[in-house]
Amino acid sequence: NAGVTQTPKFRILKIGQSMTLQCTQDMNHNYMYWYRQDPGMGLKLIYYSVGAGITDKGEVPNGYNVSRSTTEDFPLRLELAAPSQTSVYFCASSRGGSLADTQYFGPGTRLTVL
Amino acid sequence: KNEVEQSPQNLTAQEGEFITINCSYSVGISALHWLQQHPGGGIVSLFMLSSGKKKHGRLIATINIQEKHSSLHITASHPRDSAVYICAVSGSARQLTFGSGTQLTVLP
Repeated sequence: NAGVTQTPKFRILKIGQSMTLQCTQDMNHNYMYWYRQDPGMGLKLIYYSVGAGITDKGEVPNGYNVSRSTTEDFPLRLELAAPSQTSVYFCASSRGGSLADTQYFGPGTRLTVL
Repeated sequence: KNEVEQSPQNLTAQEGEFITINCSYSVGISALHWLQQHPGGGIVSLFMLSSGKKKHGRLIATINIQEKHSSLHITASHPRDSAVYICAVSGSARQLTFGSGTQLTVLP
């Protein structure tokens, strides 16, 4: 199993551009998450999904959108990129069978907005 | 909202030393997680615990629910243990709240 994969690994955007960060998991997990990690700060939840077709906002959703059309994929869309969105983005998944599940993380996407 | 505080923020140790990283949280939780972030950026889960103590190799995690406190111990530390160690807690919504991490450097 590949686990959780993310593409691209690195990306530089200009202010106002848009892009989609891809996330795929092959563990048949119900729950998927998008986090951002800023230097010196804890990971912050952007959006999460409890299953195909169901998504909800996390702590810092502004400027982002998500969709979950399949169990495997959970893309994160940035519209009108801003310098404040410069960060490292992590996708994660968990089985979702209990209140306390281990989350499995992808390798991250380092995004710079200039 | 659950606040998660870790200490210390930075820790430098000599190879072989016993290391302790602490985590405190403010409200009730369903579980506490310890994660390791490698220098390359990848994050892996080390432990998930809701009571007592867990051990995996040279790593030991403990939790005191009444005091809302957890510790991660590393025995016989090695330079390959150098990483950021992150504490996170999960509540009723299966969402994690993360601490800001402890940067551990183990010198040979």
